Amino acid sequence: QSVLTQPPSASGTPGQRVTISCSGSSSNIGSNYVYWYQQLPGTAPKLLIYRNNQRPSGVPDRFSGSKSGTSASLAISGLRSEDEADYYCATWDDSLSGPVFGGGTKLTVL
Amino acid sequence: QVQLQESGPGLVKPSQTLSLTCTVSGGSISSGGYYWSWIRQHPGKGLEWIGYIYHSGSTHYNPSLKSRVTISVDTSKNQFSLKLSSVTAADTAVYYCAEYSGNSFDYWGQGTLVTVSS
Repeated sequence: QSVLTQPPSASGTPGQRVTISCSGSSSNIGSNYVYWYQQLPGTAPKLLIYRNNQRPSGVPDRFSGSKSGTSASLAISGLRSEDEADYYCATWDDSLSGPVFGGGTKLTVL
Repeated sequence: QVQLQESGPGLVKPSQTLSLTCTVSGGSISSGGYYWSWIRQHPGKGLEWIGYIYHSGSTHYNPSLKSRVTISVDTSKNQFSLKLSSVTAADTAVYYCAEYSGNSFDYWGQGTLVTVSS
């Protein structure tokens, strides 16, 4: 069981907007920044969003992140076929005293 | 740009010790500021942080694996290593090494599949 809870799957059609949720607690999301990683099939994860809502250089502005209380969300607008991937949220957990990940959400572009 | 590459046996027998090495290029482990990490991903599952080491040699491990994990660093070779003892089939996973800023895992190796089987 992952410390952070994500829906196992999400889907959308090209051009749509989809959101992926990530739920935690006061010891992790509630008191630390949230990060999102994209894992394309057969590849290593790649940093997509840092510090809740910041995009690394090269990440399209179609990707956005937000955080409220002990939950966070990743939104993808103008969905494209190449967005089909697994998405993971992550943060620091004060109780564990280490980084924790969500279980991942598999995004399917229909 | 920093690049990381895992190496080591792809098959380990039950009860033995899994040993992997991560070679860093494009940056120096000795320069400090980053934590050199190991993360694993069980087949078809999510990501699990194993632990990390600083260039000084100080380490921090996931409590769930702490009793079996040792991470070490060789700054002269710009490498760091993972040893996981007393492995079982449950340790079969893709193992990634990564550069951790203390906030995010910024660079990752391509990952290496380690299968535990007799």
